[in-house]
Amino acid sequence: AQSVTQLDSQVPVFEEAPVELRCNYSSSVSVYLFWYVQYPNQGLQLLLKYLSGSTLVKGINGFEAEFNKSQTSFHLRKPSVHISDTAEYFCAVSSSYNTDKLIFGTGTRLQVFP
Amino acid sequence: EAGVAQSPRYKIIEKRQSVAFWCNPISGHATLYWYQQILGQGPKLLIQFQNNGVVDDSQLPKDRFSAERLKGVDSTLKIQPAKLEDSAVYLCASSTDSTHTEAFFGQGTRLTVV
Repeated sequence: AQSVTQLDSQVPVFEEAPVELRCNYSSSVSVYLFWYVQYPNQGLQLLLKYLSGSTLVKGINGFEAEFNKSQTSFHLRKPSVHISDTAEYFCAVSSSYNTDKLIFGTGTRLQVFP
Repeated sequence: EAGVAQSPRYKIIEKRQSVAFWCNPISGHATLYWYQQILGQGPKLLIQFQNNGVVDDSQLPKDRFSAERLKGVDSTLKIQPAKLEDSAVYLCASSTDSTHTEAFFGQGTRLTVV
């Protein structure tokens, strides 16, 4: 079975500062990894995904994430955040053998201040 | 392209009452998912349909929850009778195939049970 741990429930940051949202996973098999963003009163939107290949994945809105198999991590980064990035961010994992079952972390609330 | 439509957006009911949520997926999407997102937690998959057949309902509390997808298009999720712990956002998502790599989420229905 897979599980996901998002270490920070809230991350406050000033506008134009860099940010890293941490995600660690646990799995006995190879995995696919995802980051979703949820704006207030909205559904989830896919930011980026790692399926295979290059461990550095670039997504929408200037976000990127790096898959680190040895540390079982998939941290999300952005070099310069905007006020509009304020949202809830969810890391998710699925087994590459059973891609239908997506397991979500508890989420990290990114709050960007002017 | 129209997105995943859900209604109602908000619902308040008393415990032991029944409630139903409706979802209209993106046209042509064969796979439909219902997720439950309790405050402070990540979304949890309740049920997955492939066309009008159930693929996975292992986490659906079948004593009170039911779901159907007639004609492989729209879907309804019902709770009867509701409990206080059912208060959550219910998210519907759809995809073109059975993998989560292309799932699109609706805005959700926020249920409050009092």
